[in-house]
Amino acid sequence: DTGVSQDPRHKITKRGQNVTFRCDPISEHNRLYWYRQTLGQGPEFLTYFQNEAQLEKSRLLSDRFSAERPKGSFSTLEIQRTEQGDSAMYLCASSSLAGFQSYEQYFGPGTRLTVT
Amino acid sequence: AQSVTQLDSHVSVSEGTPVLLRCNYSSSYSPSLFWYVQHPNKGLQLLLKYTSAATLVKGINGFEAEFKKSETSFHLTKPSAHMSDAAEYFCVVSDTPNFGNEKLTFGTGTRLTIIP
Repeated sequence: DTGVSQDPRHKITKRGQNVTFRCDPISEHNRLYWYRQTLGQGPEFLTYFQNEAQLEKSRLLSDRFSAERPKGSFSTLEIQRTEQGDSAMYLCASSSLAGFQSYEQYFGPGTRLTVT
Repeated sequence: AQSVTQLDSHVSVSEGTPVLLRCNYSSSYSPSLFWYVQHPNKGLQLLLKYTSAATLVKGINGFEAEFKKSETSFHLTKPSAHMSDAAEYFCVVSDTPNFGNEKLTFGTGTRLTIIP
């Protein structure tokens, strides 16, 4: 399977703990995006990378959240001191960039986080 | 600022009858518009996209959508519903200049139920 993969698929953690999620984009896609989806809502943009550079962050991304893409391939999203309000599905997507035109984003299956 | 409004949170149709899922958008620029589908426990899949070419856009699985600038609408239709169409559908807008799609803004979704 050459699609976007995410690990883990499910994570249950206690309030106050740190968690880290991983996303592997489609090979050679140079743009990578993170979204968060809460129950009954559409996904909300968190941040995106072009290669290893983080180009934009949403104000939803509080200082407890950090994302990295150190070598321009896979990415990690870490949440420190988790809160119950962090419970959501975290989605990763990737796309390719040709010239100034981005192409459609391909989504992974998501990581469902439950904070107890 | 960009936004989308999906006018129905839930639509039920009988198998073999037409499907209409309604979407209105707001955008500061000439928008790119998309419809994504989300089946349970599966990733978001792109159905179709509008990026300033033909106003009637054909997508996968027999779906199509028409961009109407005067009405700021981008409704999704299908002539004949199939049981496999049951899913959550998201209308999505990106108003990044040059018709890129770096930051997608999702609607709240429409759950489509197919009645046998």
